[in-house]
Amino acid sequence: DARVTQTPRHKVTEMGQEVTMRCQPILGHNTVFWYRQTMMQGLELLAYFRNRAPLDDSGMPKDRFSAEMPDATLATLKIQPSEPRDSAVYFCASGLVQFTGELFFGEGSRLTVL
Amino acid sequence: SQQGEEDPQALSIQEGENATMNCSYKTSINNLQWYRQNSGRGLVHLILIRSNEREKHSGRLRVTLDTSKKSSSLLITASRAADTASYFCATAQGAQKLVFGQGTRLTINP
Repeated sequence: DARVTQTPRHKVTEMGQEVTMRCQPILGHNTVFWYRQTMMQGLELLAYFRNRAPLDDSGMPKDRFSAEMPDATLATLKIQPSEPRDSAVYFCASGLVQFTGELFFGEGSRLTVL
Repeated sequence: SQQGEEDPQALSIQEGENATMNCSYKTSINNLQWYRQNSGRGLVHLILIRSNEREKHSGRLRVTLDTSKKSSSLLITASRAADTASYFCATAQGAQKLVFGQGTRLTINP
């Protein structure tokens, strides 16, 4: 059963610490998206990749966030240093570049920054 | 900023009734999709409607699209307790970017 896998599922950290979230997209998918979900802002698109190349990261605070795809089976989202306002659920989703289709979401990484 | 705006923000109905949710968007789109999110889970794709389509059905789901009004509706017929979830519309901008609305929180009362 193909699925997007995200780790960790839950993370509690202190302000100023580095946080790395990982995502394993579905094998064969060539687009990867990072979204952040909060009660106030809803689902915000942070960044997305096509064939491992970043296409748009305009939704991401550049000074502290970075997103990469070291290889086709791994996407990472890093926050350094973390701040309390970064507390949210971070979702990774993957899909196919012929973009008339659906996105497949992981279960999310719930981040709490104290 | 979000592209889609769902209406209502919350909806509570009795089991067996129909539920209708609306979505408005601002710019031209390639397609519009609806997703469901159960509490504490990731989003799950429900249905996609292309910009040249006006209506689409999938099981108990019916989606309409009016590009002249930049709006879409999702109808769930004969609702069940398991339909309790948040429902999001998402618009595909250009060839790549999928932007979500704020969602409608649907509660089905037994």
